[in-house]
Order: sequence, then structure tokens, then C-alpha cells
Amino acid sequence: GNSVTQMEGPVTLSEEAFLTINCTYTATGYPSLFWYVQYPGEGLQLLLKATKADDKGSNKGFEATYRKETTSFHLEKGSVQVSDSAVYFCALSGRAIQGAQKLVFGQGTRLTINP
Amino acid sequence: DGGITQSPKYLFRKEGQNVTLSCEQNLNHDAMYWYRQDPGQGLRLIYYSQIVNDFQKGDIAEGYSVSREKKESFPLTVTSAQKNPTAFYLCASRPPGTGSYNEQFFGPGTRLTVL
Repeated sequence: GNSVTQMEGPVTLSEEAFLTINCTYTATGYPSLFWYVQYPGEGLQLLLKATKADDKGSNKGFEATYRKETTSFHLEKGSVQVSDSAVYFCALSGRAIQGAQKLVFGQGTRLTINP
Repeated sequence: DGGITQSPKYLFRKEGQNVTLSCEQNLNHDAMYWYRQDPGQGLRLIYYSQIVNDFQKGDIAEGYSVSREKKESFPLTVTSAQKNPTAFYLCASRPPGTGSYNEQFFGPGTRLTVL
């Protein structure tokens, strides 16, 4: 079945540091890949997505490239800010065949940015 | 503004009581979902619904029930049969289409605590 593995957290960085959060997946077919962000006490917000191999999703300075050869979708940001402190979830979805499309989530990576 | 609303934000329940969590969306989405989130874990699918009057069990449906009488509404009942109901519950919806590329939109969540 489909699965997502994220690097374990928590991750603590200083402001303006470079960020990488690793995400690898196992899936049949050609899934779409997503990064969601969750701020304390809130629901999930879509950060970026990529729907086919070699696509790059980007938003708010974050980027991730859909790498089919390495089955990866690592999240990167060149210079993090305190406001980026949150939990980040990598997720994939396959084509809905007999049921509604389902998302499969990684376990989440808690990121803390210190001033 | 279109979106998903969940109420209440915090809910306390005594052991042995059933409780219903509300989820409403005005995005005109067909598919709706309920997830459970526990600390340090990813989201786990409880139930999902593709259309009105239809719903399917997710990965952890035991002790939960749902209804889908209106397109806009997908309430979740946590029954006394759920052994460990204390968790953060998230409702989501998704635009129509069977492709994998459409993301799910999430509500702000309800935190349920069993006393």
C-alpha cells in the first residue's frame, strides 16, 4: 500500500538558517505529493504540491521537487523565520478509483525556529 | 468567504457519553473526510463520504459513526465504544474529480477531552 516517511523531529534551527525536511514515499502508479503546515492549535493548510515527476512546488519561500527516481519530495527553504515554527506534514494521494481520493500522511515534523 | 467550520473548538466529555462533532463546508465540495490526530503522529482517516447519503469506513472507524444528509454537513459521533477518544479531530473536504491532484481543505479542528 501507499506510505510516507518523514524525517523525525523535532528540528530546531536559528533564524535565517537553511531548512531541509526529508520525505520519501512508497506508492503504486503516479501519486500527487503535498506538503501541509499546521500551526499550534489549528487545522492543516496546504503549503505546496506537485502532481507529476520533476514538478517543483513552491510557496512562501518553500520548495519541494517531485523526484520519482528517488521517491522523494524533500521540503526546503533557504532562510527560515521565527514565524515558520510549526508542524509540517508530507502527504500523497493516488487516483480515486472506487472511493474518494485518500491522503496518506507522514507522521509530521515539528520545526522550531529560534531568533 | 468559503471554508470549513468545525464546532466546538474544545469539547469535554465524561466517560460513557456519546458526543457529536460538527463539520460544515460552503465550498460546494462533494467529498468530505474525518481524521484523528494524536500527539506526535500523523493523521488517521476515520470516515469519508463521496456524496450525500453515502459514506465509507476509513482506517480507524471503530467507535465512531457519521451521517451525510446534506452536502454541506458531515457530523461525527464519538460513541462510548471508542476506547481512547481524547484527540484532535480534523474535518476536510475536497473538490470534485477523480484525479489525485486536488488537495483536501481542512477545518480548524475540535479538541476532544474525555474526563
